Amino acid sequence: DQQVKQNSPSLSVQEGRISILNCDYTNSMFDYFLWYKKYPAEGPTFLISISSIKDKNEDGRFTVFLNKSAKHLSLHIVPSQPGDSAVYFCAALDSNYQLIWGAGTKLIIKP
Amino acid sequence: EAQVTQNPRYLITVTGKKLTVTCSQNMNHEYMSWYRQDPGLGLRQIYYSMNVEVTDKGDVPEGYKVSRKEKRNFPLILESPSPNQTSLYFCASSFDRVTEAFFGQGTRLTVV
Repeated sequence: DQQVKQNSPSLSVQEGRISILNCDYTNSMFDYFLWYKKYPAEGPTFLISISSIKDKNEDGRFTVFLNKSAKHLSLHIVPSQPGDSAVYFCAALDSNYQLIWGAGTKLIIKP
Repeated sequence: EAQVTQNPRYLITVTGKKLTVTCSQNMNHEYMSWYRQDPGLGLRQIYYSMNVEVTDKGDVPEGYKVSRKEKRNFPLILESPSPNQTSLYFCASSFDRVTEAFFGQGTRLTVV
């Protein structure tokens, strides 16, 4: 059973609008979460992270929100740009300090 | 330039023929790991290494071996590849288990 779930395999958003990527987790012991971005034929690159002691972390156009009671986090990209088209992975750090990854969401930014 | 380099990028091999995928990083990172990515499953960790001569199993270690004789290199060895090891493999490195990881470009392996 997947402990980190990204239920939307793909998402299409108009350029300039907000992109919201969602991630749910089942283990309440997870206390650190990361988002990675992956372009075709490249490895994932780190985007942004959040600790469970916070409910929001911002870095430029990217903001991650954490709702611990709902075991849900989301990545907001505002405004969306064509270069944001990629696969986005959500990952959680477990108690053994191993990263548990979601299956990814493919974001397509339409011009 | 800081990077993680994997070779080869693409490999087609036959069942049972031993192969090695190399991974090298130039950032003096302590922690290195190998992942496989399969459709619908995200990335799953195969093995990791916290330092030279220290390696440990991840979530899906069966059929794989690793070694860490030097800090910069962390090869992945498939002693007897099978078709279910057909996958996209990524090597990653980081200062420790918590900090952001830097990934190689990936190795697409097909075992026929």
